[in-house]
Amino acid sequence: NAGVIQTPRHKVTGKGQEATLWCEPISGHSAVFWYRQTIVQGLEFLTYFRNQAPIDDSGMPKERFSAQMPNQSHSTLKIQSTQPQDSAVYLCASSPGTGWSDYTFGSGTRLLVI
Amino acid sequence: GDSVTQTEGQVALSEEDFLTIHCNYSASGYPALFWYVQYPGEGPQFLFRASRDKEKGSSRGFEATYNKEATSFHLQKASVQESDSAVYYCALRYNVGDNSKLIWGLGTSLVVNP
Repeated sequence: NAGVIQTPRHKVTGKGQEATLWCEPISGHSAVFWYRQTIVQGLEFLTYFRNQAPIDDSGMPKERFSAQMPNQSHSTLKIQSTQPQDSAVYLCASSPGTGWSDYTFGSGTRLLVI
Repeated sequence: GDSVTQTEGQVALSEEDFLTIHCNYSASGYPALFWYVQYPGEGPQFLFRASRDKEKGSSRGFEATYNKEATSFHLQKASVQESDSAVYYCALRYNVGDNSKLIWGLGTSLVVNP
């Protein structure tokens, strides 16, 4: 079990460019979550899929952020027109999705917007 | 809204010291409570949870007891080791319908000196 795989580990983009982050959840897990982590705000929920369907995107900045899960083996988080305040570690987690099943996090993608 | 408060932002101890990290929550319902640990360069890892009043969760020598009256879930360990140095997160979660996102505290950085 390779765990949750996130690519790339590090990404540097120029202000105004687009960034796409990838997540491969654990096989068989039905729930996939995206979080953003910064020193100031801590862990912020962004969005959540269950069985590939978007369930809750209440944490997503509406204008430039979007997330998709086209199949059960990967999810993407896309940030258009990146801004310096988007610099953060973006974490993906997956869960079997039943009962109090626990999240397994990936190691994250560290995004730096310069 | 629901929230989790961790009193200590940083704790510095020596090996074999006793550890307490305070966690209090505010919730409109009856959530499950969690502790996660995060090492540098990695995502948070599930430590343990408790889902009902007076239940004790434990793992790797760490423990916490769900106290509904005091709305607390304090993390303790009798004798810390240098390898316990990490950031510890308290979190709460409801399992109501499809909305099962975690609500996180800001984390407590534990530094254990040899």
